[in-house]
Amino acid sequence: QKEVEQNSGPLSVPEGAIASLNCTYSDRVSQSFFWYRQYSGKSPELIMSIYSNGDKEDGRFTAQLNKASQYVSLLIRDSQPSDSATYLCAVNSLYFGNQFYFGTGTSLTVIP
Amino acid sequence: ETGVTQTPRHLVMGMTNKKSLKCEQHLGHNAMYWYKQSAKKPLELMFVYSLEERVENNSVPSRFSPECPNSSHLFLHLHTLQPEDSALYLCASSQDWGSSNQPQHFGDGTRLSIL
Repeated sequence: QKEVEQNSGPLSVPEGAIASLNCTYSDRVSQSFFWYRQYSGKSPELIMSIYSNGDKEDGRFTAQLNKASQYVSLLIRDSQPSDSATYLCAVNSLYFGNQFYFGTGTSLTVIP
Repeated sequence: ETGVTQTPRHLVMGMTNKKSLKCEQHLGHNAMYWYKQSAKKPLELMFVYSLEERVENNSVPSRFSPECPNSSHLFLHLHTLQPEDSALYLCASSQDWGSSNQPQHFGDGTRLSIL
């Protein structure tokens, strides 16, 4: 069983729409959750972190965490073509030696 | 100046060559990491250094040899690599090792191709 699972996509949304990216994880004692954006040929860039259940908003981005369901999501409102990238979900757990576990990433394309 | 800098950006080498990847962080962090990123696979943690001491080695073949001379620099020495080692190698840093709520900051990676 994979520690972190994401739908690889590609996910296509029209410009201005809401993009919804989902991630599930297997370790029940995971404590910290991160979303990274990776443009082709570039490094992963941190865009959101979330540590407690509920929603966290930052500009057009909203991270949602449900620890009971072991589920974390990222919503991108008013999607722009510049949001086209691969989005990586990362989960950190002290139980497993403080390792970060990454998903394979979801490829998002925003169509103008 | 970018936070985490990696050189070279691209590297092509034969299986019998010896080369080194370099990483430098300008963030004042105490922990540094090497990851391997292959197509369709999650990022794989290879090595972790905290305050210049290795704290994690995730069953990486001995043909990969890390070196951390100080908290700002990290090297990955390569020798006798195999074609399946072709991948993007990413360096990352974080403020401290052992604190779960600290994110990692990545360099742009070295694209390695083994002939």
